[in-house]
Amino acid sequence: EAQVTQNPRYLITVTGKKLTVTCSQNMNHEYMSWYRQDPGLGLRQIYYSMNVEVTDKGDVPEGYKVSRKEKRNFPLILESPSPNQTSLYFCASSLNLQETQYFGPGTRLLVL
Amino acid sequence: QQPVQSPQAVILREGEDAVINCSSSKALYSVHWYRQKHGEAPIFLMILLKGGEQKGHDKISASFNEKKQQSSLYLTASQLSYSGTYFCGTEFWDSGGSNYKLTFGKGTLLTVNP
Repeated sequence: EAQVTQNPRYLITVTGKKLTVTCSQNMNHEYMSWYRQDPGLGLRQIYYSMNVEVTDKGDVPEGYKVSRKEKRNFPLILESPSPNQTSLYFCASSLNLQETQYFGPGTRLLVL
Repeated sequence: QQPVQSPQAVILREGEDAVINCSSSKALYSVHWYRQKHGEAPIFLMILLKGGEQKGHDKISASFNEKKQQSSLYLTASQLSYSGTYFCGTEFWDSGGSNYKLTFGKGTLLTVNP
């Protein structure tokens, strides 16, 4: 089944404790992206990747890191999480920007 | 750089029509439309490409005015299942990053009542 998977789905952590949210797709997609969703603010892009080893900042990259060492994986790293990073995070992938974006199920993060 | 959506929210009765608008300050290459149910991931509805090609849904339609950098989503004879938050995504050339980007609006909450 074609899909985008994210892990974990739910995470509670404390300020400053490094964490990684994994994202994997099995559709051989070139483009992958991370978004955060907060009430009233819609989907805001954190980072995106047009292909392996190519990553670029989105609109809200501060406090996040990503890597794209393999085509299928695009992990999101929070080196030192803070409470303002409490949010719902979505990973998405597509062949390119003019094709369907497939979203993962979301990761709900709470930083205490 | 987020596109602007209007209205922010709309309430319909089953069978009524609705229009959701999306506008950008950037020259656009494509416009995407997605629907999200509460607590779920956004689901693809359609893509409109510069030049007029449209890919997507057979019960919901959309238009793309490239000159005005605007798109509209038309939901006719709404059904209960249409309820959710609708997002438009706009593809544009980001001169700062020397790359194409896709960014989403804040969403329009559509509620369809019996």
